[in-house]
Formats: sequence, structure tokens, C-alpha cells
Amino acid sequence: DSGVTQTPKHLITATGQRVTLRCSPRSGDLSVYWYQQSLDQGLQFLIQYYNGEERAKGNILERFSAQQFPDLHSELNLSSLELGDSALYFCASSVTSGGGETQYFGPGTRLLVL
Amino acid sequence: LAKTTQPISMDSYEGQEVNITCSHNNIATNDYITWYQQFPSQGPRFIIQGYKTKVTNEVASLFIPADRKSSTLSLPRVSLSDTAVYYCLVGDGNTDKLIFGTGTRLQVFP
Repeated sequence: DSGVTQTPKHLITATGQRVTLRCSPRSGDLSVYWYQQSLDQGLQFLIQYYNGEERAKGNILERFSAQQFPDLHSELNLSSLELGDSALYFCASSVTSGGGETQYFGPGTRLLVL
Repeated sequence: LAKTTQPISMDSYEGQEVNITCSHNNIATNDYITWYQQFPSQGPRFIIQGYKTKVTNEVASLFIPADRKSSTLSLPRVSLSDTAVYYCLVGDGNTDKLIFGTGTRLQVFP
């Protein structure tokens, strides 16, 4: 158990819908990262937050957005969902944001868009 | 963007040493190289991290040449439970984006 929690574990929805994925980092970790893992794209970095502020952006679509709240939990919002958004979504946390920080991954949310 | 490539798959037998190489031709100057292990339907799990030369911990060693354009994860005496997918993670030198390698599926046979 990494100490990072994600909810829900599974999510099934329809195209065009909007969903919110939630992540609670390890106690004391200020940084949260979001990743998408699909069969054809592998593990893709989406976005990073550090202490409530956006720190780095990866391959995140404009239909997707995220935020980190004062209690440090984070939410990833996916809207206008398409079939291709079906994937595993992981969040990870680390103590700070600098190079050399070990990221601890949550168990993931499996999203299926029908 | 940096290309971060790994062999797609490797086979080994219990008790053997396994070396998995990741090529990262445009790694960020100040970034570390991190390796993760992933089992099916689980999140990646940290194995080892380094910046240059050699790092060793209780489960693996990491070899990084001077130019840092590649790294090699070494698993000594693998067991069946080491069957998993292994990923390297680096920062891209141009964009600072984090990039996972393509992943190597390691199958360990008895």
C-alpha cells in the first residue's frame, strides 16, 4: 500500500459525459501528479500540482482539467468524454516537486467510456 | 519530445540476473532517472532512482553512463514474482515534461 488513495476504482459512463476522479496523496506529500495509461499510448503524464498550484503540464487534453485543494487532495475532471478516453488513470504523490523526488502511485481509476 | 525507448519484452529464468536498458536521448540536465515496476491492474511501484554512475539498493542496481543518454536496471537473481512490466521515467530536456519509457515486459520462468 503506497498510502495514495484514489476513488472511484471503476467508472463506466457514456460518450459526451463528464466525470471527476479523486486522489488523496500520502500524508505530508505536497505534490500530486496525474497519469493516463492506455493500451496504445502507454503511461502518459498529464499534469502536476504542488501545494495547490499547477507546476507542470504534460499531454493533457483541453477537455480535461485538474485542481488541488487546500487539504492537498486533487481532482481530475474529464468532460465531453470520448471512447478513446477509456484508460487507467493514476495519481501519484511526492513530498516536494524537485528532481529526485520519488513518486508514490495510487491504485488507479479504471474508466470505461461506452 | 525525448524518445524514451525500452525493449518490449524479455524472458529470464529464476536465479538469473536481468538487465533492462532504457534509452533517453534528450534527458533534462538536472533530472533524475527513476525505474518503476508495475503488476497488472496496479499502480507503478518505485524500484530505484539515480542521477549518474551507479546506484544500488536492496532490490536492484542502476547503471548510468557519463552522457546519461541511457540507463540500465539490473535485477540480481530474479524470481517468479519479478514477472512484471518495468518502466523508466525521465524528464525531457526541452519541455521538462515527465516521460515514461515504453515499458519492458519481463517474464520469469521456473
